[in-house]
Amino acid sequence: ETGVTQSPTHLIKTRGQQVTLRCSSQSGHNTVSWYQQALGQGPQFIFQYYREEENGRGNFPPRFSGLQFPNYSSELNVNALELDDSALYLCASSPGGLNTEAFFGQGTRLTVV
Amino acid sequence: AQRVTQPEKLLSVFKGAPVELKCNYSYSGSPELFWYVQYSRQRLQLLLRHISRESIKGFTADLNKGETSFHLKKPFAQEEDSAMYYCALPGGATNKLIFGTGTLLAVQP
Repeated sequence: ETGVTQSPTHLIKTRGQQVTLRCSSQSGHNTVSWYQQALGQGPQFIFQYYREEENGRGNFPPRFSGLQFPNYSSELNVNALELDDSALYLCASSPGGLNTEAFFGQGTRLTVV
Repeated sequence: AQRVTQPEKLLSVFKGAPVELKCNYSYSGSPELFWYVQYSRQRLQLLLRHISRESIKGFTADLNKGETSFHLKKPFAQEEDSAMYYCALPGGATNKLIFGTGTLLAVQP
């Protein structure tokens, strides 16, 4: 059984650019959630995908968008990057259903300069 | 609004001392609460959850609905318990989690 993997691990982008982060969910999991973790803060929910459909969204602007693919892997896209987007981005997969355990990836550290 | 509060950013104890990491929540209804842990250079992982009522690595947590708390406790801290601990609450119809800001536990030898 493979765990949740994210790529890349680190990324530096310039303000105004666009970025795509990738996540492979754990085998057998059909739900993927994305979180943003700023320095010194807990993870903040961005959105969730269940069977390729967005299934809930946190308080993030539309320039944060995502996709889930038939194999349940997922992408997070951020357009028009701002300095405040600098954070650790975490992907978590779960087997679906409420209150099930979320399995986290190691995260992608995004720095916007 | 649903919210999780962890009042301590840092808790420093000596090995063998008791540990209590505080977590208070705001939630309407009967919450399912979690403690997640992140050891140095490792990913965030589930430590324990309210519904299972297990003791994991010597840690326990009891839901107190009157005080809206879910404090994490261990009678005798070990150096390997040093880590970042996050209390989390399910966020409604989706399977999202609402996290507290976390408490860094430092166990001194």
